[in-house]
Amino acid sequence: KNQVEQSPQSLIILEGKNCTLQCNYTVSPFSNLRWYKQDTGRGPVSLTIMTFSENTKSNGRYTATLDADTKQSSLHITASQLSDSASYICVVSPRAGKSTFGDGTTLTVKP
Amino acid sequence: DAGVIQSPRHEVTEMGQEVTLRCKPISGHDYLFWYRQTMMRGLELLIYFNNNVPIDDSGMPEDRFSAKMPNASFSTLKIQPSEPRDSAVYFCASSRPRDSPYEQYFGPGTRLTVT
Repeated sequence: KNQVEQSPQSLIILEGKNCTLQCNYTVSPFSNLRWYKQDTGRGPVSLTIMTFSENTKSNGRYTATLDADTKQSSLHITASQLSDSASYICVVSPRAGKSTFGDGTTLTVKP
Repeated sequence: DAGVIQSPRHEVTEMGQEVTLRCKPISGHDYLFWYRQTMMRGLELLIYFNNNVPIDDSGMPEDRFSAKMPNASFSTLKIQPSEPRDSAVYFCASSRPRDSPYEQYFGPGTRLTVT
């Protein structure tokens, strides 16, 4: 069964600090992995998309990494800002069939 | 472009009533997705369309749910009759894979409460 597990479930950090969110998956055969940011009361917004051949992708202060051999991905946030407070969702898609969504990590950035 | 537009943003209804959620995808996008999000189950894909044709509706919970896409700029998700367990946030998303493979653009969602 395809699964996506995200950790930690929630995280609190101080403004300006860095943090790393984890995503482990069992989806196979793998096609792509996406990280979304979802602000409270809003729809998810795409941060990064990585295919099998990509092992890192950046979007401003967000950097995602992918290890297709160990089936792990991480999202690193540099110099966090208050506006980074949100839920971060990892989505993994197989080459055929439906995507599997993680439960998300809730990040709170405090001043 | 205004992005994906959903209406209403909030809907409160009584059990047994019919509910219709509406979505206008981004102009030029040929895929449209309906999702449901709850605390217990997270984000779930209900159904998706390609060029207005339903491709996969295996995520639709039961026959009380139906979705249509009469044209490229409009889709509806209908629940009849509604039940309290249908309370959730329903998102519509659209995409144009030949421009941005795997990228999906989500609307703001409709928060449905069934009492």
